[in-house]
Amino acid sequence: KQEVTQIPAALSVPEGENLVLNCSFTDSAIYNLQWFRQDPGKGLTSLLLIQSSQREQTSGRLNASLDKSSGRSTLYIAASQPGDSATYLCAVRGYGNKLVFGAGTILRVKS
Amino acid sequence: DVKVTQSSRYLVKRTGEKVFLECVQDMDHENMFWYRQDPGLGLRLIYFSYDVKMKEKGDIPEGYSVSREKKERFSLILESASTNQTSMYLCASSSHLTDRGNTEAFFGQGTRLTVV
Repeated sequence: KQEVTQIPAALSVPEGENLVLNCSFTDSAIYNLQWFRQDPGKGLTSLLLIQSSQREQTSGRLNASLDKSSGRSTLYIAASQPGDSATYLCAVRGYGNKLVFGAGTILRVKS
Repeated sequence: DVKVTQSSRYLVKRTGEKVFLECVQDMDHENMFWYRQDPGLGLRLIYFSYDVKMKEKGDIPEGYSVSREKKERFSLILESASTNQTSMYLCASSSHLTDRGNTEAFFGQGTRLTVV
């Protein structure tokens, strides 16, 4: 059974700092991996999708990498801002079509 | 702009009531999903549907059923609501897995259900 782990569980950084969120998964037979953002009490917003054949994807200040063989992905956020404060979730899609989520990293960016 | 819409943001229901949570997507997606999210337990899959009238149990289907009569609509039904079903419920949709691989999942805004 696929298991997804996110480290750290919580992170507090000063504004302007670059930071890395980590996601690991136990079964490397994945179709893709997706990073989401969730604000308190809200739904999930898709940030980046990486196909299993890709190594990384970029969107603005966000860069996500994928190393499928080692079961790892990272989300890099450059020049963090207070508006980046949220919970960040990674999810992997296996060939059974289901999305399996990690528990998330709660990010706080202090101004 | 892609859209997944859940019928209610907040619901309060009494124990034993039959509860319907509705979800509609406008992207012509084949797949639709219902998750619940609880502190410390993360997102857990209740049911998903890969086509009209087709469904598959997720990790925690007990106490729930689903209906998909039309491609754009996926309903979650709590046959007899209980207090342990108090949670945030999230609906999502995506296209089928294909060789081209763009099966990005999109989520609704969530329904906070309280059962008293």
